[in-house]
Amino acid sequence: DTEVTQTPKHLVMGMTNKKSLKCEQHMGHRAMYWYKQKAKKPPELMFVYSYEKLSINESVPSRFSPECPNSSLLNLHLHALQPEDSALYLCASSHPWGSTDTQYFGPGTRLTVL
Amino acid sequence: GIQVEQSPPDLILQEGANSTLRCNFSDSVNNLQWFHQNPWGQLINLFYIPSGTKQNGRLSATTVATERYSLLYISSSQTTDSGVYFCAVDSPQGGSQGNLIFGKGTKLSVKP
Repeated sequence: DTEVTQTPKHLVMGMTNKKSLKCEQHMGHRAMYWYKQKAKKPPELMFVYSYEKLSINESVPSRFSPECPNSSLLNLHLHALQPEDSALYLCASSHPWGSTDTQYFGPGTRLTVL
Repeated sequence: GIQVEQSPPDLILQEGANSTLRCNFSDSVNNLQWFHQNPWGQLINLFYIPSGTKQNGRLSATTVATERYSLLYISSSQTTDSGVYFCAVDSPQGGSQGNLIFGKGTKLSVKP
């Protein structure tokens, strides 16, 4: 099964809210990723976790806080977001050495910040 | 960092037509993937193809790593092929393992 699941599918939040995005995979992958995609643009990498440790943080503002509680689960905690953070947030996973293997993407969470 | 250029940016086809999408990249790559993003935003894996040729039904892809380009062929196009096709690469020189750099995509519209 090559499935990555993400919840919720849609999220609307105010600038003072705290919310979390969830991503799950059961393929035994040990690398997991968060990407952000603005409308009509390509996805851009935010974070990479390898063996549950944060290995890449692409200069993302601290209002985005990732967490990898176990090898199957990846969260993105959101706090004090801005309207320009509205985007499609995509999670992906791959085998341990992510650079040399296929990344599988979830369906995304479409976030709107009011 | 590595640059990824896709062409054409937009493509309109009549159902049943064939097409070729191109991806040029500026440096050697460990990973090259082709994706189809459907209108709901789902990125669907088409090929993992850092080199060589692969085929899957009506789709095939070829990457010539020494010349730094990849081609995606779509034959007998169907309306369900509509969407955006992305090429994404990861370069060992980039210093970031697992950091897929996406091209800007080719938006394909297949008319019935």
